[in-house]
Amino acid sequence: DSGVTQTPKHLITATGQRVTLRCSPRSGDLSVYWYQQSLDQGLQFLIQYYNGEERAKGNILERFSAQQFPDLHSELNLSSLELGDSALYFCASSVVGTGELFFGEGSRLTVL
Amino acid sequence: AQTVTQSQPEMSVQEAETVTLSCTYDTSENNYYLFWYKQPPSRQMILVIRQEAYKQQNATENRFSVNFQKAAKSFSLKISDSQLGDTAMYFCAFMGNNDMRFGAGTRLTVKP
Repeated sequence: DSGVTQTPKHLITATGQRVTLRCSPRSGDLSVYWYQQSLDQGLQFLIQYYNGEERAKGNILERFSAQQFPDLHSELNLSSLELGDSALYFCASSVVGTGELFFGEGSRLTVL
Repeated sequence: AQTVTQSQPEMSVQEAETVTLSCTYDTSENNYYLFWYKQPPSRQMILVIRQEAYKQQNATENRFSVNFQKAAKSFSLKISDSQLGDTAMYFCAFMGNNDMRFGAGTRLTVKP
């Protein structure tokens, strides 16, 4: 158990819909990262937050947005969903100074 | 932007033998971290080993060791005495000032 909690674990929805994925980082970790992993692909970096502020942005689509709340949990919002958005979405949190990321178990999104 | 390249999409090894997975990266930063993560069929991301760029000594963790060549920007993973449970996707990752970037992965199969 990494200490990072992601909900929901599985989500099935239709094209055009909107979903929200939630992440609770490990206690004390200020940074939260979101990654997308499509089937048999590597992890694509989406966005990073540090203590509520956006820190870095990767190849995140304009239809996607995220935020980190004062209690440090984070949400990834995916809208106008397309079939190609079906993927495993990982959240990770980090300890400042070590670089290591601790990953949640992921949220598997299926868009039909 | 940093890039991480894993040139071996798939590899296999006999149980109890040794295998080396390759990784190269590109960066202009001087201080950074390198990682190998394992992703078994459960899809959980598990840290295998970590290397700080400022350390010349190669990291080791039991049967896992790395060959870090900073000048060549190379970071290979050696797995000794391979076990069936080592069967997984292995991702090389780079973390500099901000986000962590991953290679495309190497699928390792350990054969009995």
